Amino acid sequence: DTGVSQDPRHKITKRGQNVTFRCDPISEHNRLYWYRQTLGQGPEFLTYFQNEAQLEKSRLLSDRFSAERPKGSFSTLEIQRTEQGDSAMYLCASTPEGALLTEAFFGQGTRLTVV
Amino acid sequence: GEDVEQSLFLSVREGDSSVINCTYTDSSSTYLYWYKQEPGAGLQLLTYIFSNMDMKQDQRLTVLLNKKDKHLSLRIADTQTGDSAIYFCAEKRNTGKLIFGQGTTLQVKP
Repeated sequence: DTGVSQDPRHKITKRGQNVTFRCDPISEHNRLYWYRQTLGQGPEFLTYFQNEAQLEKSRLLSDRFSAERPKGSFSTLEIQRTEQGDSAMYLCASTPEGALLTEAFFGQGTRLTVV
Repeated sequence: GEDVEQSLFLSVREGDSSVINCTYTDSSSTYLYWYKQEPGAGLQLLTYIFSNMDMKQDQRLTVLLNKKDKHLSLRIADTQTGDSAIYFCAEKRNTGKLIFGQGTTLQVKP
């Protein structure tokens, strides 16, 4: 296993279009997190899953955003009716369950540009 | 609030020590982290400290934690041009989510 994998690495879309990103965590990591990083800022927490259950959503996650993790393995993040303000790097991270210490392993991210 | 705060920019000369400071908000945070991000690259975990520790040293890196003041610092000894990057501190909440600062850009001049 080579780590957390995200696809695509880059996405350019027109305003108003829908986009979907995928994250494949490290296998057997049952916690999966989505973050968003805009230019000049640190990553901001969006949501997290423990197995297939979505346990927390940030208020940053508007109703245009939806995340799923149907089988407790990979996850998708969909943005509907994209806006220019959605342009950012979307990062995924995974950790094993119950790990107080364990570092979050981050993927390389999907950079979204809305034009 | 949830803010973790860092100074935005630090410039040092090669060979000098760099000290990057951070203040966090949640006194119940168990672990505090330092991440490095180079241009166009992902987040790289540099080091971490458990909340019951005051100091941790790892080669050129020294982390100091003042839990009373909720202040964290990262010292890089003998700073090299390859250390030029953005450095993020982060606190870990009990759900495992990380709250990041806005990042400190470290510029190392030859």
